[in-house]
Amino acid sequence: DTAVSQTPKYLVTQMGNDKSIKCEQNLGHDTMYWYKQDSKKFLKIMFSYNNKELIINETVPNRFSPKSPDKAHLNLHINSLELGDSAVYFCASSQDLRLGANVLTFGAGSRLTVL
Amino acid sequence: AQSVTQLGSHVSVSEGALVLLRCNYSSSVPPYLFWYVQYPNQGLQLLLKYTTGATLVKGINGFEAEFKKSETSFHLTKPSAHMSDAAEYFCAVSSGAGNNRKLIWGLGTSLAVNP
Repeated sequence: DTAVSQTPKYLVTQMGNDKSIKCEQNLGHDTMYWYKQDSKKFLKIMFSYNNKELIINETVPNRFSPKSPDKAHLNLHINSLELGDSAVYFCASSQDLRLGANVLTFGAGSRLTVL
Repeated sequence: AQSVTQLGSHVSVSEGALVLLRCNYSSSVPPYLFWYVQYPNQGLQLLLKYTTGATLVKGINGFEAEFKKSETSFHLTKPSAHMSDAAEYFCAVSSGAGNNRKLIWGLGTSLAVNP
């Protein structure tokens, strides 16, 4: 059973389209995250939710909208896709982001290519 | 502000040789430190972490890291590299408190292992 699963694994789409990535965790964790990893492997946190409440909202264009229907799910919707949105998007979860020794469990990633 | 510096974006070793990946951090408080590994086309997974106590921390796959407060370092080592160790390695420090807590990531070090 995959701990953090995200779908789809690959997305290829045209500029201007809207797309969603879904994430689910079965670890019973309270916190979920979205990270963006660019082609140079740089990791940037985008959002984090704790028990469905938005906690971290980094400087991300408002074309990106996360939604957490319950604490086991965190989806990412992207409007009006741009070339610069091409990246690998990782979902992660952890017991509680307020813990100092908080360990993240990552999904396998969703590779988005915008043409 | 806390920061993490990984010296060397690319490290290449021969199979069987010592692996040394460097990480320096800045922190105004006792840090929580982490090493994560990302194998090709996968998500990140925890290698090891330092919270408190023993400064030499052992992780998975024969890796270990030593917390040196005086040098503000948390270098990752493995006595004998294996081909399967080829991956991207990320050092991270836990920053902030409460709902402001988040991980500060290094830029990553790509480890190549040559036969």
